[in-house]
Amino acid sequence: AQKVTQAQTEISVVEKEDVTLDCVYETRDTTYYLFWYKQPPSGELVFLIRRNSFDEQNEISGRYSWNFQKSTSSFNFTITASQVVDSAVYFCALSEKNSGYALNFGKGTSLLVTP
Amino acid sequence: GAGVSQSPRYKVAKRGQDVALRCDPISGHVSLFWYQQALGQGPEFLTYFQNEAQLDKSGLPSDRFFAERPEGSVSTLKIQRTQQEDSAVYLCASSRPMGRGYNEQFFGPGTRLTVL
Repeated sequence: AQKVTQAQTEISVVEKEDVTLDCVYETRDTTYYLFWYKQPPSGELVFLIRRNSFDEQNEISGRYSWNFQKSTSSFNFTITASQVVDSAVYFCALSEKNSGYALNFGKGTSLLVTP
Repeated sequence: GAGVSQSPRYKVAKRGQDVALRCDPISGHVSLFWYQQALGQGPEFLTYFQNEAQLDKSGLPSDRFFAERPEGSVSTLKIQRTQQEDSAVYLCASSRPMGRGYNEQFFGPGTRLTVL
């Protein structure tokens, strides 16, 4: 069963628009971690953020922000004032203590930002 | 410092051939993970080592897949009698020990395997 669901397969926005990437996860663990990774066309996986299950504080880093809500099992990612360089595939991932902390990735959302 | 390295970066194999993919983790990282990323998909967990011990191999898709890490450092993922469905990017990640809490997994650039 898919533990991480990224319902949006592809999103296309015009530069400077805000865009939110959705992520819904499923776990029975009380200790788990959530992640977002960026994969540009070069293929390298770039770590963006990690949150643990005990910390629901939202986080902002420059144009990026993350909204973690345990009540809805969601960990959404917003890019404000998108730029062409944001074009990439974005993966949400879950890591559970009871699974040895292996990463369970969603299928990814392909974001295209056009000028 | 050096990151995770993988070799070869690209591998083309004829169906039925055996292949070996190498991962050099970051020095001192005792945990090592292998993932398989098919085209257009997210990476999927294959197997996990803590030092030389393979603690979880539940993600290996068939008995044609075999991974080892005999000295607790370099790891090799071997695929026997390759099939076209094995075509994917194989990613290796290493981290400090996973134990009480999570430690960051650092990913290598991957090996792109194409089976003809």
